Amino acid sequence: GAVVSQHPSRVICKSGTSVKIECRSLDFQATTMFWYRQFPKQSLMLMATSNEGSKATYEQGVEKDKFLINHASLTLSTLTVTSAHPEDSSFYICSAREQGLARETQYFGPGTRLLVL
Amino acid sequence: QKEVEQDPGPLSVPEGAIVSLNCTYSNSAFQYFMWYRQYSRKGPELLMYTYSSGNKEDGRFTAQVDKSSKYISLFIRDSQPSDSATYLCAMSEVFSGGYNKLIFGAGTRLAVHP
Repeated sequence: GAVVSQHPSRVICKSGTSVKIECRSLDFQATTMFWYRQFPKQSLMLMATSNEGSKATYEQGVEKDKFLINHASLTLSTLTVTSAHPEDSSFYICSAREQGLARETQYFGPGTRLLVL
Repeated sequence: QKEVEQDPGPLSVPEGAIVSLNCTYSNSAFQYFMWYRQYSRKGPELLMYTYSSGNKEDGRFTAQVDKSSKYISLFIRDSQPSDSATYLCAMSEVFSGGYNKLIFGAGTRLAVHP
């Protein structure tokens, strides 16, 4: 149980294009999903928290107009990197907290590697 | 000063060794402590979850929390080459009626060689 998937696993795009990453909880309902970014050999940095049916809460320094988050259902959250630039190249990981369980436990997806040329 | 400090390593040990991984933290409000294992190019996998001080054992893994010292540890007994990964500590406060933001350490890279 507690499986989180991400799609795509890897994407290469040209500078200026937008990229959408999907995060799905496959066998549980997730009221809250989190989006992280991880640079090589660094830890996970929380970008934003999304709650189903409401606006995402962004961490300080994260541009909400650049990183659009939609949490349309209890099993799906999407992150759209708008007008991507090379500095947006990173490993993006989502996590989900299962509804009704300990609020402190998050299950992570496999990550999406974004390379912007 | 970072809220959570973790030595990035790398830590290299022979197969069968006991591995000790540690994190220190500064926020006394942290109540929940977790250890995640992350293989290269993969998402983190939850290994251990503990609340407050004390020990918790699960197979070859033992998590230890000392809140008085603001220090947590993960011990791996009989280490295997398959344990080679980056180990991330994470912790959070208790929020009422909301979500808990996890604060991660930098991760310690572990290599277990045959």
